[in-house]
Amino acid sequence: NAGVMQNPRHLVRRRGQEARLRCSPMKGHSHVYWYRQLPEEGLKFMVYLQKENIIDESGMPKERFSAEFPKEGPSILRIQQVVRGDSAAYFCASSPMTGYTNTEAFFGQGTRLTVV
Amino acid sequence: AQSVTQLGSHVSVSEGALVLLRCNYSSSVPPYLFWYVQYPNQGLQLLLKYTTGATLVKGINGFEAEFKKSETSFHLTKPSAHMSDAAEYFCAVSDGNQGGKLIFGQGTELSVKP
Repeated sequence: NAGVMQNPRHLVRRRGQEARLRCSPMKGHSHVYWYRQLPEEGLKFMVYLQKENIIDESGMPKERFSAEFPKEGPSILRIQQVVRGDSAAYFCASSPMTGYTNTEAFFGQGTRLTVV
Repeated sequence: AQSVTQLGSHVSVSEGALVLLRCNYSSSVPPYLFWYVQYPNQGLQLLLKYTTGATLVKGINGFEAEFKKSETSFHLTKPSAHMSDAAEYFCAVSDGNQGGKLIFGQGTELSVKP
């Protein structure tokens, strides 16, 4: 059973370009979470998605950032018109259906975005 | 609202010494508590978790943590440090209703000296 797969592992974008980060959850997991880790900081929650639904986007910046988890295919975190402050590691986590206790999230290896 | 405070951004111990990484939380509901480890340029790996039941939780690689409600703490310990334990450690809390929505502490970098 493959783990959470994120690609690319490293992404370099020039200021003003778009960045697309992909996350394929573990098999059987229908919940995806995106986190951002700025240098020397902990992980900050960004958004929680189920298939075709955004459940909680309380941690998403109001502008330039969007996320989706379509019926088919990976979850995408999209950052438009990137700025240097967007340089960070972006982690995706997945979990099985909630409603169960002891639900835990499994993390991917992250995408390290560098804006030059 | 929930929050996590990790005391000490850097901890250094000698190989074979006790490891103690401190974590205090704030939560208005019964918390679910987690410790994760992150090696350089890697993702997060779950060390252990507390949800309900026994307050002393044993995890992988010889780590354990004790949930102390009266102290709102969930400190991570290991009796004898190994060089391979050098990494960043994160304490996290959730309300248990959204399994993957975690509030993380700032992290503690553990160094192990030979």
